[in-house]
Amino acid sequence: GQQLNQSPQSMFIQEGEDVSMNCTSSSIFNTWLWYKQDPGEGPVLLIALYKAGELTSNGRLTAQFGITRKDSFLNISASIPSDVGIYFCAGRKAGGTSYGKLTFGQGTILTVHP
Amino acid sequence: DTAVSQTPKYLVTQMGNDKSIKCEQNLGHDTMYWYKQDSKKFLKIMFSYNNKELIINETVPNRFSPKSPDKAHLNLHINSLELGDSAVYFCASSQSGLAATYNEQFFGPGTRLTVL
Repeated sequence: GQQLNQSPQSMFIQEGEDVSMNCTSSSIFNTWLWYKQDPGEGPVLLIALYKAGELTSNGRLTAQFGITRKDSFLNISASIPSDVGIYFCAGRKAGGTSYGKLTFGQGTILTVHP
Repeated sequence: DTAVSQTPKYLVTQMGNDKSIKCEQNLGHDTMYWYKQDSKKFLKIMFSYNNKELIINETVPNRFSPKSPDKAHLNLHINSLELGDSAVYFCASSQSGLAATYNEQFFGPGTRLTVL
């Protein structure tokens, strides 16, 4: 089935460093989302992108919807220890039988060393 | 608190048993979902219900049967549990709409199912 290729799979960084991760697809999505999952919890929505080329920020997080609609990236600036977790991209196509259906990337495990 | 809640948080059972996981949302959403997260953390949708009507049914074994008694609840019943069913199961909810910026999915805390 449809999959999103998310990279990198894991990152080990020092506190204060910037982080970048991305997601690519072989097909077009109309919505790109970025979620964070803390241990023992469910994913929490960080940023939602609805238009090709859109660049959206949420505090230290910035995400962009690729102009081809086949990719998206997430940047985290000046990382802090509480940024630790698994980051997922997710894409959604419009209408039809995939109504509401999200396809997730494999996740990026982020570790931040103090 | 407004949220998506799931019970139980942990479920350990023997192979062959039948078990249920319950999900409730008090966000007033009309769409609910079940996801499975495997040991590699990959999240995959299983089912989706909109106004108690099944709208997404991925290639899930028919041992899995979702039931939505009302818009606020979506339960997952699993018959004849197998070792491969061990995973974390997440419930989620959202509000449907044609606008691009309709409410996104809110996830519950997950139910860790271990089949021995």
